[in-house]
Amino acid sequence: DAGITQSPRHKVTETGTPVTLRCHQTENHRYMYWYRQDPGHGLRLIHYSYGVKDTDKGEVSDGYSVSRSKTEDFLLTLESATSSQTSVYFCAISERDQYYNEQFFGPGTRLTVL
Amino acid sequence: AQSVAQPEDQVNVAEGNPLTVKCTYSVSGNPYLFWYVQYPNRGLQFLLKYITGDNLVKGSYGFEAEFNKSQTSFHLKKPSALVSDSALYFCAVVRGNKLVFGAGTILRVKS
Repeated sequence: DAGITQSPRHKVTETGTPVTLRCHQTENHRYMYWYRQDPGHGLRLIHYSYGVKDTDKGEVSDGYSVSRSKTEDFLLTLESATSSQTSVYFCAISERDQYYNEQFFGPGTRLTVL
Repeated sequence: AQSVAQPEDQVNVAEGNPLTVKCTYSVSGNPYLFWYVQYPNRGLQFLLKYITGDNLVKGSYGFEAEFNKSQTSFHLKKPSALVSDSALYFCAVVRGNKLVFGAGTILRVKS
């Protein structure tokens, strides 16, 4: 988990409340990603960023928004949490475009929406 | 259509025996393929990748993978399994400009 931290590591919240997850990196990598991991689905891309203030949608972006105001921080916001968003969320970073480079993953955040 | 498939939910192998974790892909053109491993309560760790060149790719912890274009496969292998290899393994392929993961295969190595 070199150089990547996620906060909080665990969170329990109620349906309808907003939730923000934070990813912080010390590697100065340009690309940052948010995934969710669910049994039987592997990891699915929610949003990604290719630079400060440059973001794009992934495969499962509905109900999520992101922001990146600094190279080192990438925030994921659940605007109004639903039970279907109960999952483990992983942040990843990559030095260059993922065509060529592997991604490095944070330790994950376990989110439970009641 | 599914871009990457891992046909086995779980693979069981005895310590010291060879192991294989299967992966098939379905993307057009030349694929970029990856293997990652996830230990309990941890993030994914990169094992190896195939971009081009030699079909046999060597990676971390003694793992290797063989790219087979005719069978559209990229199976992960290790000659002698260790109990510490027990983990969840993910195959992934680049589709468009994004990485798409398989559902994962649990590897259990018993002593």
